[in-house]
Amino acid sequence: AQSVSQHNHHVILSEAASLELGCNYSYGGTVNLFWYVQYPGQHLQLLLKYFSGDPLVKGIKGFEAEFIKSKFSFNLRKPSVQWSDTAEYFCAVKDTDKLIFGTGTRLQVFP
Amino acid sequence: DADVTQTPRNRITKTGKRIMLECSQTKGHDRMYWYRQDPGLGLRLIYYSFDVKDINKGEISDGYSVSRQAQAKFSLSLESAIPNQTALYFCATSDLTGRTEGSTDTQYFGPGTRLTVL
Repeated sequence: AQSVSQHNHHVILSEAASLELGCNYSYGGTVNLFWYVQYPGQHLQLLLKYFSGDPLVKGIKGFEAEFIKSKFSFNLRKPSVQWSDTAEYFCAVKDTDKLIFGTGTRLQVFP
Repeated sequence: DADVTQTPRNRITKTGKRIMLECSQTKGHDRMYWYRQDPGLGLRLIYYSFDVKDINKGEISDGYSVSRQAQAKFSLSLESAIPNQTALYFCATSDLTGRTEGSTDTQYFGPGTRLTVL
């Protein structure tokens, strides 16, 4: 079965800093990959997803992720974070008919 | 997502009590899921249902049961609650048929139910 690793458990940045959150999945073949965000006190919302085609995927709020098949990775990036990006970020991979979620990365952005 | 609702939003109960968490959706999706979220563990799948007659166990189904009363309703029950079931519970839906543009495989989450078992 697939698994997902998010190695950054807690990231602290100042506003305007660049962000990269790591996500690795366990095995290859055709993969569907997702990044979800959970703002404080809220439910999970989809940031972006990769199904096929261009490995650089652009999502909402200026986020993007790059699928690198050779590295089994789908890292999330943002060139310049804002205080409002403070949230928990979850990477997920489709496994048969289910989503497998990583343990999440808590991002804190200070003004 | 306002299209996926959960009741109650918060619940405090005692060990041994039976608890039901309810989820309703107006998205017309076939598939529904129950997850629990614990700090440092992310989301773990409890049960999922592909349609009214289809129920499947997730990775942590012990101590839980579900009922898919209709396409739009999926309830999670804790038959005899215990303290380590204290968690945030999320319902989600998805439309794997892709009938809604861009929705294939995407899961849409409800607001969550915070359950505390004393």
